[in-house]
Amino acid sequence: NAGVTQTPKFQVLKTGQSMTLQCAQDMNHEYMSWYRQDPGMGLRLIHYSVGAGITDQGEVPNGYNVSRSTTEDFPLRLLSAAPSQTSVYFCASSYSGGTNYGYTFGSGTRLTVV
Amino acid sequence: GIQVEQSPPDLILQEGANSTLRCNFSDSVNNLQWFHQNPWGQLINLFYIPSGTKQNGRLSATTVATERYSLLYISSSQTTDSGVYFCAVDYNDMRFGAGTRLTVKP
Repeated sequence: NAGVTQTPKFQVLKTGQSMTLQCAQDMNHEYMSWYRQDPGMGLRLIHYSVGAGITDQGEVPNGYNVSRSTTEDFPLRLLSAAPSQTSVYFCASSYSGGTNYGYTFGSGTRLTVV
Repeated sequence: GIQVEQSPPDLILQEGANSTLRCNFSDSVNNLQWFHQNPWGQLINLFYIPSGTKQNGRLSATTVATERYSLLYISSSQTTDSGVYFCAVDYNDMRFGAGTRLTVKP
């Protein structure tokens, strides 16, 4: 049981490049989400999904796209990377049904945009 | 959105001491969770506690939803308790506090 798997662990991008951060879970969780964590700050929600085919914006969605074609996968796409997107990105999943019980985080992706 | 405030922002303890971390939130919530981020960045879910009291070993948590706060108690602290403790509220659009950074010295 791998839990939540994020790839890559580290990435350096040039300004204007695009890339996709991968997130997969094997717990059959309905809810998945993406956060960014900047130094000295808490986690801020970028996008979330309550099930396959359903996505919604969180607190800081600008510059990011998501899709949820399967229950297991929830990729995060950076359309045109900017230095302000330098951060650590965490994917998480949980049971849904209005509880978010069993909230599990991936190990994170450290992204640097130069 | 809901505002989440945690206090204190930083806490330094000697090993064996007890501590209380507080989480205040600005509106009524039906979901509150506590997380620990260790010094290597890994985030672990400690408690799902929308109301009442729960205990897990040396850690316990209490949420008083009607008064909009939650407390995390750490007893007989150990160096492995070091890290940042976050509370988070709400369901789909979860909001995190800024965290309490705990340092436990041997």
